[in-house]
Amino acid sequence: SQQGEEDPQALSIQEGENATMNCSYKTSINNLQWYRQNSGRGLVHLILIRSNEREKHSGRLRVTLDTSKKSSSLLITASRAADTASYFCATKENYGQNFVFGPGTRLSVLP
Amino acid sequence: GAGVSQSPSNKVTEKGKDVELRCDPISGHTALYWYRQSLGQGLEFLIYFQGNSAPDKSGLPSDRFSAERTGGSVSTLTIQRTQQEDSAVYLCASSLLGQGDYGYTFGSGTRLTVV
Repeated sequence: SQQGEEDPQALSIQEGENATMNCSYKTSINNLQWYRQNSGRGLVHLILIRSNEREKHSGRLRVTLDTSKKSSSLLITASRAADTASYFCATKENYGQNFVFGPGTRLSVLP
Repeated sequence: GAGVSQSPSNKVTEKGKDVELRCDPISGHTALYWYRQSLGQGLEFLIYFQGNSAPDKSGLPSDRFSAERTGGSVSTLTIQRTQQEDSAVYLCASSLLGQGDYGYTFGSGTRLTVV
């Protein structure tokens, strides 16, 4: 089964609104990353948050991590049509070599 | 190069044929990963190379799948006797450090269609 599970599976909002996506995972992790994918091709790395961090910002992105609940959230503020994409969280277990990706959230930002 | 390059970008093959997918990682990146993504799904880990260490092949779905990395740079993923369920986008990624602490850089993928 997937280590990371994103919620919701799909999200549709109006341009200018905020979008929040959640990710839950099962095991202890070293870090958690969020990626964006357009049109089912290559993924773009957005942000990495380490297990000892609780919140991180990058431009219009805000990521939180709650290791006690094994969950993370990605907030995109003031969304734009260009933010339309699938968003994946990826977790790296403490003793693992590779990242495990969740099934993703499909975000649609309507103009 | 500036990014991870994969070729071909699209491949249509007949069931039972062998295919080779190529990945050129970012120069200097010691770690290289192959993932597979079926339509509308998340990424499935296939194989991981780190420097000169033995690769982690734990994600390969069957013995029809193999991969090699020559000279610590270019990698080739080979699928023998392709089946329709092999149809997917095959993504390659590289990272500066094996622990992926700086994130992966992905290529644009190879879309494989087995007919």
